[in-house]
Amino acid sequence: AQTVTQSQPEMSVQEAETVTLSCTYDTSESDYYLFWYKQPPSRQMILVIRQEAYKQQNATENRFSVNFQKAAKSFSLKISDSQLGDAAMYFCAYITGVGQGGGSNYKLTFGKGTLLTVNP
Amino acid sequence: KAGVTQTPRYLIKTRGQQVTLSCSPISGHRSVSWYQQTPGQGLQFLFEYFSETQRNKGNFPGRFSGRQFSNSRSEMNVSTLELGDSALYLCASSFVGRGNEQFFGPGTRLTVL
Repeated sequence: AQTVTQSQPEMSVQEAETVTLSCTYDTSESDYYLFWYKQPPSRQMILVIRQEAYKQQNATENRFSVNFQKAAKSFSLKISDSQLGDAAMYFCAYITGVGQGGGSNYKLTFGKGTLLTVNP
Repeated sequence: KAGVTQTPRYLIKTRGQQVTLSCSPISGHRSVSWYQQTPGQGLQFLFEYFSETQRNKGNFPGRFSGRQFSNSRSEMNVSTLELGDSALYLCASSFVGRGNEQFFGPGTRLTVL
């Protein structure tokens, strides 16, 4: 079965400090994309960062960066200089069936999420 | 560019009734996916539509169905509602092949009494 595991149900960080959220996944597909989504209390799901599985270079988006270890199927998210607005539920996910035009297996598989609290 | 919209935002129904939820994707997006979010099961994939065809379906009973129209708008229907269907239903659209990012709507909160 294709799965995503987020081993930390909850994490907390002090404002301005750095925190790392863990994620491991399991898929038999060779072509996929990995994502971290953020869901604040408003429930709106927002993309934080994206990583193409075929790219070795780790993705970076301002204060957010990932550590992608393809062989280990690990995809952790590092948040630097944490801000109060970063407090949210964070979901790790991957999408399969991403061949040209998509395919019959085109769907996101999510982890259970990590609730991040930012302390002032 | 307008984001993904979902209507209604909140619904209260009773057991046995049926409900229809609507999703309008971002202009130009032809793929629309639906997800159910509950505290116990997390985010689960319901189905995905592309160019009016259901390409993929999650592990949900036949009471859950959907369709997509020629303008890519999508609806999902749940018949014979059960208490366990209470959830946040999220719709997401994407431009397949370009980043494959799924853009989510604000969700429809369904409560079954």
